[in-house]
Amino acid sequence: DGGITQSPKYLFRKEGQNVTLSCEQNLNHDAMYWYRQDPGQGLRLIYYSQIVNDFQKGDIAEGYSVSREKKESFPLTVTSAQKNPTAFYLCASSDPRNTEAFFGQGTRLTVV
Amino acid sequence: GQQVMQIPQYQHVQEGEDFTTYCNSSTTLSNIQWYKQRPGGHPVFLIQLVKSGEVKKQKRLTFQFGEAKKNSSLHITATQTTDVGTYFCAVLTNDYKLSFGAGTTVTVRA
Repeated sequence: DGGITQSPKYLFRKEGQNVTLSCEQNLNHDAMYWYRQDPGQGLRLIYYSQIVNDFQKGDIAEGYSVSREKKESFPLTVTSAQKNPTAFYLCASSDPRNTEAFFGQGTRLTVV
Repeated sequence: GQQVMQIPQYQHVQEGEDFTTYCNSSTTLSNIQWYKQRPGGHPVFLIQLVKSGEVKKQKRLTFQFGEAKKNSSLHITATQTTDVGTYFCAVLTNDYKLSFGAGTTVTVRA
């Protein structure tokens, strides 16, 4: 069954701890994306990657880090430097030839 | 920041009525995409427009790209409860940066 898998669906962390959100795709897509969604603010781009071993900052990259060591994986680390990390995080991927982006189910992160 | 502005932010519609949501940019866009996110779900791709003045239809949904390629609209006729959700427009740039608008959240009164 092809698609994008984000895990876990819900995640709780204590303030000051780093946390890594998983995103795996088996669609053979080159491009992958991380978005943050807060009520009333739509989808804000954190990082994106066009190809393995390369990635670019989006509009709100501060306090986040990513890696792209494998084509199918694009993990996002929410660091302790992120001042307001509680949010819904969505991962997406796309094939540059097709442009349509496919999204995972999302991870809802709560920092207490 | 966001390259496109969406209006209205919220749309409350009586079932059976029509409505339109708009996506506007200050710069010329090479393309515009539309997505729908149901409550509690994730965004799902609806359509992409690339040509000036392009109009595409999907059943009760009509998508339009402006002549100047600076705006787009989504018109829904005879709104149904299944239309509830948030509709986003998005722009894909040459370096594969995909940026979304803030969305229009639609609720339907039965």
